[in-house]
Amino acid sequence: GAVVSQHPSWVICKSGTSVKIECRSLDFQATTMFWYRQFPKQSLMLMATSNEGSKATYEQGVEKDKFLINHASLTLSTLTVTSAHPEDSSFYICSASRDPDSPLHFGNGTRLTVT
Amino acid sequence: TQLLEQSPQFLSIQEGENLTVYCNSSSVFSSLQWYRQEPGEGPVLLVTVVTGGEVKKLKRLTFQFGDARKDSSLHITAAQTGDTGLYLCADSYGQNFVFGPGTRLSVLP
Repeated sequence: GAVVSQHPSWVICKSGTSVKIECRSLDFQATTMFWYRQFPKQSLMLMATSNEGSKATYEQGVEKDKFLINHASLTLSTLTVTSAHPEDSSFYICSASRDPDSPLHFGNGTRLTVT
Repeated sequence: TQLLEQSPQFLSIQEGENLTVYCNSSSVFSSLQWYRQEPGEGPVLLVTVVTGGEVKKLKRLTFQFGDARKDSSLHITAAQTGDTGLYLCADSYGQNFVFGPGTRLSVLP
């Protein structure tokens, strides 16, 4: 069964609004989670590394004020897309592992459509 | 910065055919993974290879890791429609991952 859960699976929102996506590790604690974005027919691109109890680390070119990440507990990280625009429409995927030596488990992704 | 290349980019075959897809890295892999991603879902890990020259089999899938640990191939025997998906190779060092662009495979009935 799934060990990393993402919610919602899909969301449609209007331009200018904010959307929150949750990523939960179901049967293990994850001090680190990862957020990816995947555009149609493209590979996964790492957006940021979410660290429990501290600030997220963002990849170059990813606006930290637009993509707010909160890793408030060892089993939950959230990604909030603020003031969403149509170009933010994408497939957002999170991942987590029990520890650096364990396989990475991916959530089932969230399809965001901004109209 | 490590660059991963995958070929072919797209592949469409008939059910029952064999196929091979490739992954090449600009630098030595730390730990190579192959994933399959179906539309609307997250990637699912197929295999992890670490040792140069390593060959792993997973039912109809055979994974080879080059001796120099800079390239890998995935061979599928007698493809089935359920094999359809995006095949991604990735390198991991610690909890950091770099993904290749993927090979999109379509197996037609």
